[in-house]
Amino acid sequence: GESVGLHLPTLSVQEGDNSIINCAYSNSASDYFIWYKQESGKGPQFIIDIRSNMDKRQGQRVTVLLNKTVKHLSLQIAATQPGDSAVYFCAETTGGGNKLTFGTGTQLKVEL
Amino acid sequence: DGGITQSPKYLFRKEGQNVTLSCEQNLNHDAMYWYRQDPGQGLRLIYYSQIVNDFQKGDIAEGYSVSREKKESFPLTVTSAQKNPTAFYLCASSILGLAGGSGELFFGEGSRLTVL
Repeated sequence: GESVGLHLPTLSVQEGDNSIINCAYSNSASDYFIWYKQESGKGPQFIIDIRSNMDKRQGQRVTVLLNKTVKHLSLQIAATQPGDSAVYFCAETTGGGNKLTFGTGTQLKVEL
Repeated sequence: DGGITQSPKYLFRKEGQNVTLSCEQNLNHDAMYWYRQDPGQGLRLIYYSQIVNDFQKGDIAEGYSVSREKKESFPLTVTSAQKNPTAFYLCASSILGLAGGSGELFFGEGSRLTVL
């Protein structure tokens, strides 16, 4: 079946450094991708999205890169702060569908 | 303020009992979803609904049931047929499902169910 997976389960970074969280997907038909942030004991929150007709999209301190050739997605967080500590999920869907497939998540730990 | 409210936040159940988790939204969203989250894993879709009185099975619907009698409400019943019900349950909503919308799901704070 189709799946979305993450390369690393845990990522530790120093405060102020940039963070890069990676995600691989297997469905070549996927055309819409979303990154979510989930703090402990809470529901996920939308961070940024990107459609397959784009390679890059920037938000506030975050950038998402999409490489369709190798089916790889990344989330870059600039100047990582303690408040960025959370689990980050990538998710994908196909054809404007109504079902999001989530990856297993990456735990980001920010060290002071 | 607009948002999604799940209740209860914590719930304990004895084996063999059914339990219903509440999800209410005042965002006027058409679509609502139930996800299950297990430790160290991603979210898996249980059921979703795009319109009142209609819903579809997700990837792990066995042992669960839902109803959508009102646009604002999408309760989930965890039945005794669910073999491993202990998990964190998340309800979400979105505009027009994901098709044609921003794709953003708005999540509730979750309900943690523990079977004793």
